[in-house]
Amino acid sequence: DIQMTQSPPSLSASVGDRVTITCRASQSIYSALNWYQQKPGKAPNLLIYGASILQNGVPSRFSGSGSGTDFTFTITSLQPEDFATYYCQQSSSIPITFGQGTRLEIK
Amino acid sequence: EVQLVESGGGLVKPGGSLRLSCAASGFTFSSYTMSWVRQSPGKGLEWVSYISSSGSSIFYAESVKGRFTISRDNAENSLFLQMNSLGAEDTAVYYCGRDPLRRGSSYYMDVWGKGTTVTVSS
Repeated sequence: DIQMTQSPPSLSASVGDRVTITCRASQSIYSALNWYQQKPGKAPNLLIYGASILQNGVPSRFSGSGSGTDFTFTITSLQPEDFATYYCQQSSSIPITFGQGTRLEIK
Repeated sequence: EVQLVESGGGLVKPGGSLRLSCAASGFTFSSYTMSWVRQSPGKGLEWVSYISSSGSSIFYAESVKGRFTISRDNAENSLFLQMNSLGAEDTAVYYCGRDPLRRGSSYYMDVWGKGTTVTVSS
């Protein structure tokens, strides 16, 4: 199975800040990396697929990059509605695996 | 509107069974691979199972293999998860999700239901 290691587990930031989350795969997954946002009590919401492609309707302050084993997810100019938990997920092979999540909190 | 609605969750005793359903609307259900993903209380996301659009290709996580069975009824636009021999470790919110690739598999989910809660406790 491909292990996904996400860091940091939690992050405190202020509105307007730029934040970056990293995700590392235990083996190459090429660009098969996706990012989700999840708010408390809600289902995950796809933000980015294919490592860097923004899902329709997702604001451009969200971005992703990377390939192979190392990936980054960035939010520029944090908005109040961005405080949530973010997960990476590899879609290179079955079993599908997720990172442990990064909880983004208001400082 | 594209929508997925899960149902069938509840409280069940250890060793018991439960059948979850996911009703799809707003898209051609029979053209899309579907998955179940679960989330234990306060924990992260765990993929559970996947079924191709025709139902001919099925995969399970090791943690549920031999106990859970995924199926679908394309005529009824419905996805199912039969869960047997349930244990406390199966307590979670169960989500169904749609793979975005029509008549194929991308192994990620672009549409999710709101989830149904399964609690395994005596």
